[in-house]
This record gives sequence, C-alpha cells and structure tokens, in this order.
Amino acid sequence: GNSVTQMEGPVTLSEEAFLTINCTYTATGYPSLFWYVQYPGEGLQLLLKATKADDKGSNKGFEATYRKETTSFHLEKGSVQVSDSAVYFCALSDPGRRALTFGSGTRLQVQP
Amino acid sequence: GAVVSQHPSWVICKSGTSVKIECRSLDFQATTMFWYRQFPKQSLMLMATSNEGSKATYEQGVEKDKFLINHASLTLSTLTVTSAHPEDSSFYICSATLAGGFTEAFFGQGTRLTVV
Repeated sequence: GNSVTQMEGPVTLSEEAFLTINCTYTATGYPSLFWYVQYPGEGLQLLLKATKADDKGSNKGFEATYRKETTSFHLEKGSVQVSDSAVYFCALSDPGRRALTFGSGTRLQVQP
Repeated sequence: GAVVSQHPSWVICKSGTSVKIECRSLDFQATTMFWYRQFPKQSLMLMATSNEGSKATYEQGVEKDKFLINHASLTLSTLTVTSAHPEDSSFYICSATLAGGFTEAFFGQGTRLTVV
C-alpha cells in the first residue's frame, strides 16, 4: 500500500536559518504530493502541491520538488521565521481513492 | 479556495453519551468527504470515506457502529461518536474534495473531543 515517511522532529531552528524537512514516499502509480501545515489548535492548511514528476510546488517561500527517481518531496525554505513554527505533514493522494495518506508530521520550532 | 467548516471546534462529554460532529462544505458541493482522527503528536489516520447518498466506507479497525457517518446532502456530513469512552478522546478532522477529480483536499478546523 501507499506510505509516506517523514523525518522525525522536533526541528528547532533560529530565525533566518535554512529549513529542510525530508519526505519520501511509496506508492503505486503516479500520486500527487502535498505539504500541509497545522498551526497550534487549528486544522490543516495546504501549503503546496505537485501533481507530476519534476513539478515544483511553492508558496510563502517554501518549495518542494516532486522527484520520481528518488521518490522524494523534500520541503525547503531559505529563511524561516518565528511564524513558521507549526507541524508540517507530507501527504500523497491515490488517484483511485482520493483519500490522503499522511506522513507522521514534523514539528518545527523557530526561535527568535 | 474552497471552505470546509467543522462544528463544534471542541466538545467535552460524559462517558456513555453520544456526540455529533458536523462537516460542511460552504461554497462547493462535495460528493465525497473524509473523516480522520489525530492522536496527540501523531499523524492523521483515515477513519472512513463518506459518500453522499450511500453508506460510508470504513477503514480496517474502525468500528462502524461506534462511529456513525451520515452524508445526507452534497454539503453536509456528520460523524456521531456513540457511547463515547475516554479512549475516544481525540482530534477529529474532516476533509472534502471537489467533485470531478482530485487535485486538493480542503480541511475543516477539526474538533477536539474530550470524554470524561
């Protein structure tokens, strides 16, 4: 079946540091890939997505590239802010099923 | 983007009682909605897929008699936790996708259920 593996957190960074959160996946077919962000006490918000190989999703300074050869979708940001502190989930969609399969989530803490 | 509203955002109930959680798509029609459960500091686990006008499809290990799902219209799905127990305490999140194909899921704000 499908699965998503994320690096374990928490990840603690200083403001303006470079961020990478690794995500790899296992899937049959050609899934779409997503990064969702969850702020404390809130639901999930879509951060970015990519629907086919070599696509790059980007939003709010975050980027992730769909790498089929390495089955990865790593999240990056060049300069994090305190307001980026949240839990980040990597996910994939099974075209035939439409439900999402989530990774375990990575908590990011950015310190001033 | 499309908006999914979930209500209530939090609820406390006594053991043995039932709790209903509503999930509404406010500005689009959702033929399919999904219910997830999130344990503290863990990922979201799919509980069931709710299809408008038909029975929900439950994931393995989810008790269908305990977690009743009704999807009576294209904009509303409800999850009822029956005879709740403390181990049912969790964060429940619904999501919906636009009809006609999957490009993105829209999530409700979540409901934190505490059973005392």
